[in-house]
Amino acid sequence: QVQLQQWGAGLLKPSETLSLTCAVYGGSFSGYYWSWIRQPPGKGLEWIGEINHSGSTNYNPSLKSRVTISVDTSKNQFSLKLSSVTAADTAVYYCARGQWDYYDSSGYGRYYYYYMDVWGKGTTVTVSS
Amino acid sequence: SSELTQDPAVSVALGQTVRITCQGDSLRSYSASWYQQKPGQAPVLVIYGKNNRPSGIPDRFSGSSSGNTASLTITGAQAEDEADYYCNSRDSSGKGVFGGGTKLTVL
Repeated sequence: QVQLQQWGAGLLKPSETLSLTCAVYGGSFSGYYWSWIRQPPGKGLEWIGEINHSGSTNYNPSLKSRVTISVDTSKNQFSLKLSSVTAADTAVYYCARGQWDYYDSSGYGRYYYYYMDVWGKGTTVTVSS
Repeated sequence: SSELTQDPAVSVALGQTVRITCQGDSLRSYSASWYQQKPGQAPVLVIYGKNNRPSGIPDRFSGSSSGNTASLTITGAQAEDEADYYCNSRDSSGKGVFGGGTKLTVL
């Protein structure tokens, strides 16, 4: 059974860099997309970005200038760095495993879908001076 | 602002059927996945693809789609289904996007 274990600093000062790592246990690292998602207190989920095993990345445009997601395949780990944090970056940060698939719908063509089936437990990150 | 729109709150009587919807133009190209989140817990995948349930998800959960709207239906809602539900898909540029979430109350 695949498990994701995540860790990183939980308290940051404004302008510092958030750094989180997620380790993958019990399953293959290749063939999947490895994502970061965050949730500010009392608010909804926000997709931050993703990386595949070969290092190809895809970022939320609203965060792209500050975000770097990297992968270490030798350790089955992937990491998130978010620079120049402010109080608005205070959130629970989740890592997740994602994958693509598709189905054919008669008369409507092919529908692709992406889903995240394994999630880490979350890391609370607070930005405060 | 989210490109996937969900009703903020929905309620259902115990044992009745409830539908939670998610609207967005990108749903014409990409199918949605649905996540259940209870307070203090990580989200859990409940529906993906055409209408697939991960192992361990009760069959009272089902999914459907028509045009720009994806739906999550709970047939015979239980008290333990009270949670926040989020749809997720891709936007027109292929970036991930979540709906704003729907808080489900079971009365």
